[in-house]
Amino acid sequence: NAGVTQTPKFRVLKTGQSMTLLCAQDMNHEYMYWYRQDPGMGLRLIHYSVGEGTTAKGEVPDGYNVSRLKKQNFLLGLESAAPSQTSVYFCASSIPGNTYNEQFFGPGTRLTVL
Amino acid sequence: AQKITQTQPGMFVQEKEAVTLDCTYDTSDPSYGLFWYKQPSSGEMIFLIYQGSYDQQNATEGRYSLNFQKARKSANLVISASQLGDSAMYFCAMRESVAAGNKLTFGGGTRVLVKP
Repeated sequence: NAGVTQTPKFRVLKTGQSMTLLCAQDMNHEYMYWYRQDPGMGLRLIHYSVGEGTTAKGEVPDGYNVSRLKKQNFLLGLESAAPSQTSVYFCASSIPGNTYNEQFFGPGTRLTVL
Repeated sequence: AQKITQTQPGMFVQEKEAVTLDCTYDTSDPSYGLFWYKQPSSGEMIFLIYQGSYDQQNATEGRYSLNFQKARKSANLVISASQLGDSAMYFCAMRESVAAGNKLTFGGGTRVLVKP
């Protein structure tokens, strides 16, 4: 199993450009999450999904959109990137009812907006 | 709203000594979980240890133990016999209930540097 994978690993955007980050998991997890981590800080939840076709806002949702068309994929979109969105983005997934209800994290995507 | 506080931005520890990382939390939900994650310089999030709100015993995983004091709302991580490879950022996180989305709230982290 690959676990949680994220595409791309690195990206540089210009202000105003758009992009989509892809998260894929092969563990048949119901729940998926997008977090951002700014330098020297902990992770903050952007959006999450508790099942295919459902999404919900987290702590810092402004400027982002998400979609969960397939159970294994969770897409994070930036319609008009801003320098404030320079961050490392982590995707995670979990399945309710496992031992700790823990989240499994992807390796992260480092995004720089110039 | 849930809140996690880590008051130690950085710590030095001598190799082979023990170190305690502080974590306090605030929640009104009686059912929650507390996690510690390690983030080395390579950036990945590594799960270390978990404590459930209803667990009677403090969690232990190898050299990691969690000092859970529910009344004080603290969940401190103890790393025994520190190794050079323990140098990393450490994050405390609290999980909401499954019904609330199983979401995690993270503290600001503590950077640990192990000295030889």
